Amino acid sequence: GQQVMQIPQYQHVQEGEDFTTYCNSSTTLSNIQWYKQRPGGHPVFLIQLVKSGEVKKQKRLTFQFGEAKKNSSLHITATQTTDVGTYFCADPQGGKLIFGQGTELSVKP
Amino acid sequence: EAGVAQSPRYKIIEKRQSVAFWCNPISGHATLYWYQQILGQGPKLLIQFQNNGVVDDSQLPKDRFSAERLKGVDSTLKIQPAKLEDSAVYLCASSLGGGPGTGELFFGEGSRLTVL
Repeated sequence: GQQVMQIPQYQHVQEGEDFTTYCNSSTTLSNIQWYKQRPGGHPVFLIQLVKSGEVKKQKRLTFQFGEAKKNSSLHITATQTTDVGTYFCADPQGGKLIFGQGTELSVKP
Repeated sequence: EAGVAQSPRYKIIEKRQSVAFWCNPISGHATLYWYQQILGQGPKLLIQFQNNGVVDDSQLPKDRFSAERLKGVDSTLKIQPAKLEDSAVYLCASSLGGGPGTGELFFGEGSRLTVL
């Protein structure tokens, strides 16, 4: 079935650097959700984007939904060690929530 | 508010043995999901219940996996017989409404299965 593709798979940054992960789909998305999973933890919901071109901010996190609703991004400004984890986008297609492969972020203090 | 409860947290079994996982969703949540997460991968949906009915089980290996949600509240996921490739974390999640497009999923801590 259709799967959202996430890049990069891994990202290693120095604390204070910015981080961006991208989520791409070949088909139009009705909406998209983002989750964070800390090492050894479970996915935790961050946000849901619904509207074309939507931009939402949560402190240092900025989420965007593309104009064509085929891509989305998560940008973290000035990363901190608490940002470590894997970030997943998820596509609620046909009533099922399908997760991307995730981007694993490591932050070097 | 209590979160999604799962047990056991860890289970080690030998191949061909059976195992069962239990999940109690957040009170009032109509939709319950079981996901399988293999190390380094995103969660993969196994089965989705709406109250006590199955909405989707297209990814559930039905020759060895079964799940039920009697009375529309808690749920069990069973694997019999287990294979080595079943080693994974089994995540239970619940949501308030009629499906993931309507709001966030709340995940439990997961049950980590190791098959030797």
